[in-house]
Amino acid sequence: DTEVTQTPKHLVMGMTNKKSLKCEQHMGHRAMYWYKQKAKKPPELMFVYSYEKLSINESVPSRFSPECPNSSLLNLHLHALQPEDSALYLCASSQGQGASNSPLHFGNGTRLTVT
Amino acid sequence: DAKTTQPPSMDCAEGRAANLPCNHSTISGNEYVYWYRQIHSQGPQYIIHGLKNNETNEMASLIITEDRKSSTLILPHATLRDTAVYYCIVREVNTDKLIFGTGTRLQVFP
Repeated sequence: DTEVTQTPKHLVMGMTNKKSLKCEQHMGHRAMYWYKQKAKKPPELMFVYSYEKLSINESVPSRFSPECPNSSLLNLHLHALQPEDSALYLCASSQGQGASNSPLHFGNGTRLTVT
Repeated sequence: DAKTTQPPSMDCAEGRAANLPCNHSTISGNEYVYWYRQIHSQGPQYIIHGLKNNETNEMASLIITEDRKSSTLILPHATLRDTAVYYCIVREVNTDKLIFGTGTRLQVFP
């Protein structure tokens, strides 16, 4: 079991749909992350929130819109996606504030299929 | 960009020690070495991390060379459940970033 919970586990959406991925942690962590992972590839960093503010955006297209409503929750809003956006989307959390001695804890991801 | 080099794949017999190497020749003095693994269809699992000294926990041991240019993750008694992709990561200082390289696919066989 993981301490970072992601919902839903699976999601199928059309290119005109709007959907959201959700992530929750109760470890008191102040940094939260979104990663994207294509099949047989390593996870790629998308966004980092630190103390509920967006601190890192790795040049992600605007059809992906992150939101951090509070320190425990992280959302990823999806709109007008393309089939090539199909992937495993991973959420993670860590202590934050640049504490490079603090491991990231990952959820088990949402497997997204865009049709 | 990832700052590590790992072999793409390795095999290990069940019950034997698995020694996974990692090169990080450009590591800076205060950058940590992290190891994660990812079992199929799950999120990456934290294993261990270190700065200069060797580290051991209930999962594994991390041996870092004195010049810090390479390290080895040791799983002392590999089981079939240790079959996974293992990622060695050098973490930038004073940043929340964690950038994955391509990893080593470890296959443990009976």
